[in-house]
Amino acid sequence: GAVVSQHPSRVICKSGTSVKIECRSLDFQATTMFWYRQFPKQSLMLMATSNEGSKATYEQGVEKDKFLINHASLTLSTLTVTSAHPEDSSFYICSAPRGYITDTQYFGPGTRLTVL
Amino acid sequence: AQTVTQSQPETSVQEAETVTLSCTYDTSENNYYLFWYKQPPSRQMILVIRQEAYKQQNATENRFSVNFQKAAKSFSLKISDSQLGDTAMYFCAFMTSNFGNEKLTFGTGTRLTIIP
Repeated sequence: GAVVSQHPSRVICKSGTSVKIECRSLDFQATTMFWYRQFPKQSLMLMATSNEGSKATYEQGVEKDKFLINHASLTLSTLTVTSAHPEDSSFYICSAPRGYITDTQYFGPGTRLTVL
Repeated sequence: AQTVTQSQPETSVQEAETVTLSCTYDTSENNYYLFWYKQPPSRQMILVIRQEAYKQQNATENRFSVNFQKAAKSFSLKISDSQLGDTAMYFCAFMTSNFGNEKLTFGTGTRLTIIP
């Protein structure tokens, strides 16, 4: 099956610093990738849709200046959490469809961010 | 906006028995896609089954099958011959087929425990 990777798997940083999370589709190209946030024992909440070669589309309530998304190639999207604060601590997951956007989404293994 | 409701926060069943997880959704659209995803303790999201709304036939994937009732907007998952490895959070998800707005909306999840 299709594989999506994320790096790093976990990161701990100090308040005020920026953290970059990478999402890669390893065996297929993805013009669209999605970024989710999952708090403990809760569901996945879509943060933004990452589009290769164009600006990301953010969901209502998500600060685009705080969560910077760059979809630099057909296999790589990055999420940068700028000036991180403890409330940004969460589990971040990316996904990508193989083929049409309505095809099955393949998910990365997630990145656990802890902001001290 | 679409909503997905999973009314069972958690359930458990003896190994080898059958269990059904419920899901209802609300939409005014006629064409859409429904999914069940499994999230084991590793937190890796894994597709269990996918259903296209225009198909009347219920999707089946080995021990997993759905009961898709379009008029009732119900999409339940049946797991037969349950195994210990089925222990996980199960999320029901909806995706519209409307161009430009294709994204997954997840339910709150059901925690399934298989008892040895």
